[in-house]
Amino acid sequence: ETGVTQTPRHLVMGMTNKKSLKCEQHLGHNAMYWYKQSAKKPLELMFVYSLEERVENNSVPSRFSPECPNSSHLFLHLHTLQPEDSALYLCASSQAPGQINNSPLHFGNGTRLTVT
Amino acid sequence: GDSVTQMEGPVTLSEEAFLTINCTYTATGYPSLFWYVQYPGEGLQLLLKATKADDKGSNKGFEATYRKETTSFHLEKGSVQVSDSAVYFCALSAPRSGAQKLVFGQGTRLTINP
Repeated sequence: ETGVTQTPRHLVMGMTNKKSLKCEQHLGHNAMYWYKQSAKKPLELMFVYSLEERVENNSVPSRFSPECPNSSHLFLHLHTLQPEDSALYLCASSQAPGQINNSPLHFGNGTRLTVT
Repeated sequence: GDSVTQMEGPVTLSEEAFLTINCTYTATGYPSLFWYVQYPGEGLQLLLKATKADDKGSNKGFEATYRKETTSFHLEKGSVQVSDSAVYFCALSAPRSGAQKLVFGQGTRLTINP
């Protein structure tokens, strides 16, 4: 395993389902991030965790619920999603969350989510 | 607020052509600037960065110079290869946005034909 691993790679869910996305980083970083990548739109930062505490929540609807049980794992719990939530969800990690200029983000390969 | 604007794609070039992907930004203060690349089926990878005016970032034959006077960070490569086909994202990190927050452009898809 290298870097940042996300599972599953693909997920199809109905609007009434509950599912979770998982992210694991093997880099010894202490900050983790969820981004949403939609077609023809800039990447949207959803959540930031630093030392397992949520430090940023960018007005994300409550149907997305993050969880960071330790510095290596990050989850995104999904429930009652809408079709417009279909996107690629990217997890990232970095060292030293207060010094991003010297600590680039390392991204996972993403989970392609389709809401039907 | 802070923002990044990239040239719209897709961009299609022949192998060994010269590449420029334009990027301009709006930010208060003195942001750091980045180019990330996303190959098919993968996440984003840092390609290069510049942290202050007139700095030049370079990697894998790509270069970009931080131009404060024109608020630009254009990506260039002298001779592209088929393996450079990917989506390229310009991004900034500005103190006012919070240390952990990268603001991305919308991405530019590049296709190189043999």
